Amino acid sequence: AQSVTQLGSHVSVSEGALVLLRCNYSSSVPPYLFWYVQYPNQGLQLLLKYTSAATLVKGINGFEAEFKKSETSFHLTKPSAHMSDAAEYFCAVSAGGTSYGKLTFGQGTILTVHP
Amino acid sequence: GAVVSQHPSWVICKSGTSVKIECRSLDFQATTMFWYRQFPKQSLMLMATSNEGSKATYEQGVEKDKFLINHASLTLSTLTVTSAHPEDSSFYICSAESAVSSYEQYFGPGTRLTVT
Repeated sequence: AQSVTQLGSHVSVSEGALVLLRCNYSSSVPPYLFWYVQYPNQGLQLLLKYTSAATLVKGINGFEAEFKKSETSFHLTKPSAHMSDAAEYFCAVSAGGTSYGKLTFGQGTILTVHP
Repeated sequence: GAVVSQHPSWVICKSGTSVKIECRSLDFQATTMFWYRQFPKQSLMLMATSNEGSKATYEQGVEKDKFLINHASLTLSTLTVTSAHPEDSSFYICSAESAVSSYEQYFGPGTRLTVT
């Protein structure tokens, strides 16, 4: 079984500041990990994913995440926040294999970017 | 590319009636589609997995007779909430898996169901 915990339902940063969204997972098998972003009235969009290759994963829009097995974490970062980054972000895990598409999501983190 | 649509985006129905929600992959074929449910301020919960031409697989605790899923073609899956009750009010989201794009999932914008 898998589970995901996102620490902080709301994160607020200033434009240009570092963005750090935290995600910890639990999985009984080697996990596949994902970060999705959701803008208002739109579907979830994949930012990046970890599928057992490189532990540092680079995604779209300047985001990246690092898989740390020892810490069971997959935190999302961006060096410099932009106003357009304001959205809700979801971390998700799957077991891979035939269950690759069966995602277990975290509760989501709303990112606010102040000018 | 890789757009998934849902219809309707918002629906209100009376208790006891049934509501059908459509999920379409507009520019790719999806052998597998997933249905999620999201309660206010909560995460998405997987309800079921549907494969084209076969019966859907439901997650534990999801009533298959209440949430009927049909995946009749490679671009269309439907979710019918039968005999809806107020506790079925929720945000329903579908996703479609592209066999061409390394089984990437693309999500629809969701359907808001309110049962009065």
